[in-house]
Amino acid sequence: AQSVSQHNHHVILSEAASLELGCNYSYGGTVNLFWYVQYPGQHLQLLLKYFSGDPLVKGIKGFEAEFIKSKFSFNLRKPSVQWSDTAEYFCAVNARSQGNLIFGKGTKLSVKP
Amino acid sequence: DTGVSQNPRHKITKRGQNVTFRCDPISEHNRLYWYRQTLGQGPEFLTYFQNEAQLEKSRLLSDRFSAERPKGSFSTLEIQRTEQGDSAMYLCASSQGGGAWNQPQHFGDGTRLSIL
Repeated sequence: AQSVSQHNHHVILSEAASLELGCNYSYGGTVNLFWYVQYPGQHLQLLLKYFSGDPLVKGIKGFEAEFIKSKFSFNLRKPSVQWSDTAEYFCAVNARSQGNLIFGKGTKLSVKP
Repeated sequence: DTGVSQNPRHKITKRGQNVTFRCDPISEHNRLYWYRQTLGQGPEFLTYFQNEAQLEKSRLLSDRFSAERPKGSFSTLEIQRTEQGDSAMYLCASSQGGGAWNQPQHFGDGTRLSIL
């Protein structure tokens, strides 16, 4: 069965610090990979996605993620976080032949001003 | 930008009652998904539709749950004989069609169900 593991439950950073959130998935076939963000009181929004091609993908608001196939990983990065990045971040995967997304448990990011 | 709309935003009901939620997807999207999210967890897949056809149902979707999308536009999710364990946020998402299921899903604000 497919599964997604996010390593950090809660990350606390100061503004301007660099961010890396881990995501590993378990699935033997070809997958699509996503990072979603949920700001306080808002709905889930897509940050970035990877289907094929360059394994380093850039998303909105300065976020990027790197797909490392050999490690089954899709880690999210941002060089310098802002207070407005305070939110919960979810990694999600779906098999190329299926529509259902499998989500990780999420990582709550708190950025101190 | 009219996103995915869900109603009601919050539903409080007594155990054993039936509840129905509605989801209106983004108008040009032919795929519609339902998820459930509990505290401290990511969303869990329940079911999805392509147009009016229900293509897959999770094992989480017991016999008490039923979803419909009669005209391929809005969808309803009904829970019969609600139980305490049904308390959760019910999320709806929609996406455009695509052979490799790689179109991103756009989520609504959810309906929070509280069982007394």
